[in-house]
Amino acid sequence: DIVMTQSPDSLAVSLGERATINCRSSQSVLYSSNNKNYLVWYQQKPGQPPKLLIYWASTRESGVPDRFSGSGSGTDFTLTISSLQAEDVAVYYCQQYYRTPYSFGQGTKVEIK
Amino acid sequence: QVQLQESGPGLVKPSQTLSLTCTVSGGSISSDDYYWNWIRQPPGKGLEWIGYIYNSGTTYYNPSLKSRLTISIDTSKNQFSLKLGSVTAADTAVYYCARASRQWLRITWFDPWGQGTLVTVSS
Repeated sequence: DIVMTQSPDSLAVSLGERATINCRSSQSVLYSSNNKNYLVWYQQKPGQPPKLLIYWASTRESGVPDRFSGSGSGTDFTLTISSLQAEDVAVYYCQQYYRTPYSFGQGTKVEIK
Repeated sequence: QVQLQESGPGLVKPSQTLSLTCTVSGGSISSDDYYWNWIRQPPGKGLEWIGYIYNSGTTYYNPSLKSRLTISIDTSKNQFSLKLGSVTAADTAVYYCARASRQWLRITWFDPWGQGTLVTVSS
């Protein structure tokens, strides 16, 4: 199974400052046939289902603010919120869809400092 | 716009079977372009993928649950269902259904998700 590990578990960032979340997979999720990383980021607010933010590791979903960006390849990935807004307080999850069983990171809680 | 809605009992006794249905609206569950998934989240914890079904009836289950799990599809009702047997308190969770698109003959990300339904296992 592919194990997804996020760091940190939580972070507190001042409004307008940068937030960076890391995600590491225990095996590469880069599919050589199409050169795509099978890695997605979700945002989850209390009482809501996860919301799609970034897919293919770096493609922003339509309607997602451009302060959210994803980067990385192979086994190491990063979600960056360039200028934290109050509405970004949430738990963020990475997930691999490279191989079954599809697996999620443990989540990173982002709060306002 | 496709929407998914979970339904089923909110309370199940230990050792019994948990049964949930996901109703899909705004799109056909018979489409060749999608996989239909179940995902769960214990209270205050992370997400666990349970399994998927394709319109042909092909399924893939998380090995951690495979011995207790059945996912089925009813294209006439535009629904798919989950049955999890021999439940314990560890199966208490919010259960989500979600769609995943099929690209290059492979599954992709989960979107959209249903709102989720809390199932509590307790006597």
